[in-house]
Amino acid sequence: GAGVSQSPSNKVTEKGKDVELRCDPISGHTALYWYRQSLGQGLEFLIYFQGNSAPDKSGLPSDRFSAERTGGSVSTLTIQRTQQEDSAVYLCASSLDPSGVYEQYFGPGTRLTVT
Amino acid sequence: KNQVEQSPQSLIILEGKNCTLQCNYTVSPFSNLRWYKQDTGRGPVSLTIMTFSENTKSNGRYTATLDADTKQSSLHITASQLSDSASYICVVRIQGAQKLVFGQGTRLTINP
Repeated sequence: GAGVSQSPSNKVTEKGKDVELRCDPISGHTALYWYRQSLGQGLEFLIYFQGNSAPDKSGLPSDRFSAERTGGSVSTLTIQRTQQEDSAVYLCASSLDPSGVYEQYFGPGTRLTVT
Repeated sequence: KNQVEQSPQSLIILEGKNCTLQCNYTVSPFSNLRWYKQDTGRGPVSLTIMTFSENTKSNGRYTATLDADTKQSSLHITASQLSDSASYICVVRIQGAQKLVFGQGTRLTINP
């Protein structure tokens, strides 16, 4: 079956521009996570969606970052007024449920470069 | 502070040799620990998951150990293959929380 897909795979943008990153989770997975992986750093939690509950936004680094999940499926991570320090790989993961028993399946990531 | 520390940062070994990667954590309360393999340009893929009561778990040539008392885990790779070249990430879940705590990973290179 299809895994988690993300688009675009690579994105180069100029400083100050807005970008949108898309994640298509595995069908039926109710939990969806966004992470950021900077060069030489571990994965950094950004935001978590579970069903119709209010998302856990505690990992978003600034108010320039926001995310939506429409219809409990596709999610979009938006970064406004991008800065060079936003350059990283943005990974999306989905899980059958958030209990911790089921593993998170990761997408291939979107590599964002801000020039 | 909840942290996961991995060592070494990078490791180079010859094909066919064995190696062991280390993970120390200070996460509390502990729920489970996973090892992920991340190939270049790909998302992480789970290798093993271990709960508090499990000491050893194998997945093919990969064997993970967990010592919950000392808060240490290791990932042993036997008879390494070129395809084992990747980053190996140790991840700990906090009990009752949805977020995971990630280590920085060990970059393993297998040379022919």
